[in-house]
Amino acid sequence: GAVVSQHPSWVICKSGTSVKIECRSLDFQATTMFWYRQFPKQSLMLMATSNEGSKATYEQGVEKDKFLINHASLTLSTLTVTSAHPEDSSFYICSARKVGAVQSTDTQYFGPGTRLTVL
Amino acid sequence: AQSVAQPEDQVNVAEGNPLTVKCTYSVSGNPYLFWYVQYPNRGLQFLLKYITGDNLVKGSYGFEAEFNKSQTSFHLKKPSALVSDSALYFCAVRPTGFQKLVFGTGTRLLVSP
Repeated sequence: GAVVSQHPSWVICKSGTSVKIECRSLDFQATTMFWYRQFPKQSLMLMATSNEGSKATYEQGVEKDKFLINHASLTLSTLTVTSAHPEDSSFYICSARKVGAVQSTDTQYFGPGTRLTVL
Repeated sequence: AQSVAQPEDQVNVAEGNPLTVKCTYSVSGNPYLFWYVQYPNRGLQFLLKYITGDNLVKGSYGFEAEFNKSQTSFHLKKPSALVSDSALYFCAVRPTGFQKLVFGTGTRLLVSP
């Protein structure tokens, strides 16, 4: 199997507070995890690539000081939205790369997503 | 620039009929191709992928996809649609040498009883 979990599944917070979202690969080790953001009726936008034990690589236009990513173990990556504002409200999805026998067989498996609402 | 196109926002099909969800890509080299499905308020579920070999790839839930290199297409197909197949479908490519996926805009499939 290849199961990825996210916690929490939804969260409501006040403007100015910080929110942490966890992404776990339950039955495999993931040296690389990805964080996406999805707006209503739109595709996924890659925010950053998280590598275990090193700094995340952020996509252009994504504020690394606002979206803090930590990948401290082979099964856990966290995304912290700092000083959240209403415009940060979105559906955040993580994925974990399951390494195949050769790199070409790697597949990303996705978590169920976290809906963040900032009031 | 690397891109994936899903030309149809929505595909409507009656239950029991065959379905096709289209995907074309513009990526250099020999990319790896993927299809994912998303149900409401859920993450993406992996359906199938093409790496190399046979152009017809079989995946989960009876879905299959045909890789056509000359047309740079990777259309998703199923011989007989189910109402439960109604969902949002994403085509994605992983360019050679990259870890990240490039997604299409998604196609909503609506299967009517």
